[in-house]
This record gives sequence, structure tokens and C-alpha cells, in this order.
Amino acid sequence: GQQLNQSPQSMFIQEGEDVSMNCTSSSIFNTWLWYKQDPGEGPVLLIALYKAGELTSNGRLTAQFGITRKDSFLNISASIPSDVGIYFCAGQFGTGANNLFFGTGTRLTVIP
Amino acid sequence: GAGVSQSPRYKVAKRGQDVALRCDPISGHVSLFWYQQALGQGPEFLTYFQNEAQLDKSGLPSDRFFAERPEGSVSTLKIQRTQKEDSAVYLCASSLGGGQGETQYFGPGTRLLVL
Repeated sequence: GQQLNQSPQSMFIQEGEDVSMNCTSSSIFNTWLWYKQDPGEGPVLLIALYKAGELTSNGRLTAQFGITRKDSFLNISASIPSDVGIYFCAGQFGTGANNLFFGTGTRLTVIP
Repeated sequence: GAGVSQSPRYKVAKRGQDVALRCDPISGHVSLFWYQQALGQGPEFLTYFQNEAQLDKSGLPSDRFFAERPEGSVSTLKIQRTQKEDSAVYLCASSLGGGQGETQYFGPGTRLLVL
């Protein structure tokens, strides 16, 4: 299957700090997405990116679709305790089933 | 309902037993996906339905896995003769049309433990 590598694997930060995580792939994707998964729940979509170079914000979240279409990053500004969870990047080819290929995840812990 | 629901939420099976996992997608959603999420990993695609048609089953790990959506709404994922390596969270997602970039809404998952 497709390999999407996320880094870092885990982060421990103080409340109020900014967070940055990224995702790289060996494949070119037409869409990049970022999801958050809380314990015992399914992933929830945070941001979707559709064009190479696109920079999109959603509240305190900002994500970019890399120029090469093989990478993406997610920034969270002024972290709060409810940001705790696992963040997954996902790529989509845009053909066939349009299924998602997920990254390995970044586990975020926010210390109040 | 308001979102995707899955049942049971937890399932413990003895090795060799058959299990059936149910997904109720959001009403009116044409596309339905099943994913498998192993502990500490991201979800991996299993199979895809558009209405009642199973258009892609390339992710099913073996012929012990079978999925159906006979009326284009509720879907069932069946695993026959379960093995320990089948232990995972099984996630169902639905989207309105299935086009590129359309939001896939995930259910809470069924946690399967095979002893």
C-alpha cells in the first residue's frame, strides 16, 4: 500500500504553544486532508487541500499542500487542552474509489 | 440519525468464530467505505460501495473478509474464521457522492479482539 510518513510521532507541548507536524509520501496525491481522532472515536476532518501550493486555515489550524504534491504540513497555533488527540494526514488520488490513504499519525499531548 | 453509526462497538471473538459488523451510514449518502485500523496505526482501506455496488474490494486482506450493502444503505462486514491478526478497529465512513475531496464522515468504529 501507499506509505505516508508523519513526523513527529508524538509531541508534548505546553498550553499556548504553537505546533507543527508534517507528512511526506512517495506518491503524488490530488488531495491532501488532515484528520483528528479522539480516543474511542472515528477520525474527524479538519482541513482539505485541493491544489499544489494551497494554504488553507480553519480557525487556529493552518495547512499547506506541498508544491511537489508529495507532502503537506499542519500548524496549530496557541494550543489548548482540547487539541489533545492523534492527527492523521491522508492523501487521495481522485480516481476510482477515492479512498483515503492515511499517515502514521502524530499523537499530541497538551500540558495545561 | 445525525452521523454514521456502527454496531457492536466492541466485539470479543474466539479464534475461528465468524463475526458480523454493521454500519449505518448517513441517510442519503451514496458512498460507503470500510477501513481497518490496527493499534497505533492509521486506518487502511478495505472496500468501497457506491449504492449497492461493491466497486472496489482491493483492500480486503483475505477471502475470509466479505462485505455487502444489499439495499444501498446499511452495510455489513463479515469476517469468517477469525484469526488473532484480525484484531483491530473497523471503521465505516460515508460520503454524499464519493467525488474527489468529498468529506468522508467516519463512525466510531467496532473494536474487534480475537482471542
